Amino acid sequence: AQSVTQLGSHVSVSEGALVLLRCNYSSSVPPYLFWYVQYPNQGLQLLLKYTSAATLVKGINGFEAEFKKSETSFHLTKPSAHMSDAAEYFCAVSGGSGGYQKVTFGTGTKLQVIP
Amino acid sequence: DADVTQTPRNRITKTGKRIMLECSQTKGHDRMYWYRQDPGLGLRLIYYSFDVKDINKGEISDGYSVSRQAQAKFSLSLESAIPNQTALYFCATSDQRTGGGRETQYFGPGTRLLVL
Repeated sequence: AQSVTQLGSHVSVSEGALVLLRCNYSSSVPPYLFWYVQYPNQGLQLLLKYTSAATLVKGINGFEAEFKKSETSFHLTKPSAHMSDAAEYFCAVSGGSGGYQKVTFGTGTKLQVIP
Repeated sequence: DADVTQTPRNRITKTGKRIMLECSQTKGHDRMYWYRQDPGLGLRLIYYSFDVKDINKGEISDGYSVSRQAQAKFSLSLESAIPNQTALYFCATSDQRTGGGRETQYFGPGTRLLVL
């Protein structure tokens, strides 16, 4: 079984401040990990993913995430928040053992950026 | 034009009615999915299909059915809608050639369904 836990359903940051969205995972096999973003009235789109190559993964719009096996974490960061970053962010995990691997999504974190 | 389209975008229906949500894609992907999104619950998988002849239940398939009419089309039906099926529904696609669990899913814009 696999799961992800996103700490904090709502996060507020000031424009220009560090963005840190937390994700912890549980997986019985080496995982693949994803961050998706959902802008208002849109579907989800991929920000970045970890597929067992480099542990520090860079994504679109200046976001990055670091896979830490010892902490079972895959936190999303951005050095300086922009107003356009206001959205809901979903962490997701799938089992990395080949074949079809169901993707399990977290419950989401809504990011508010305060001017 | 969008790669993954969903129709309708919004739908209001009454309890007991049968409704169909449609999804089309131009990405040429073989895998298609239906999810529902509820506040605080994230996305939950309803059904998925790896090709036209392959249909699989997800974690919350009760009360739903699907049809894969072609590689590019995947429809979700609510046979007899009930109020707790009020949700935001997403269709998604992925390419099995990048599979093994690492493939990116590409989402449609969603259908907002209200069951009265």
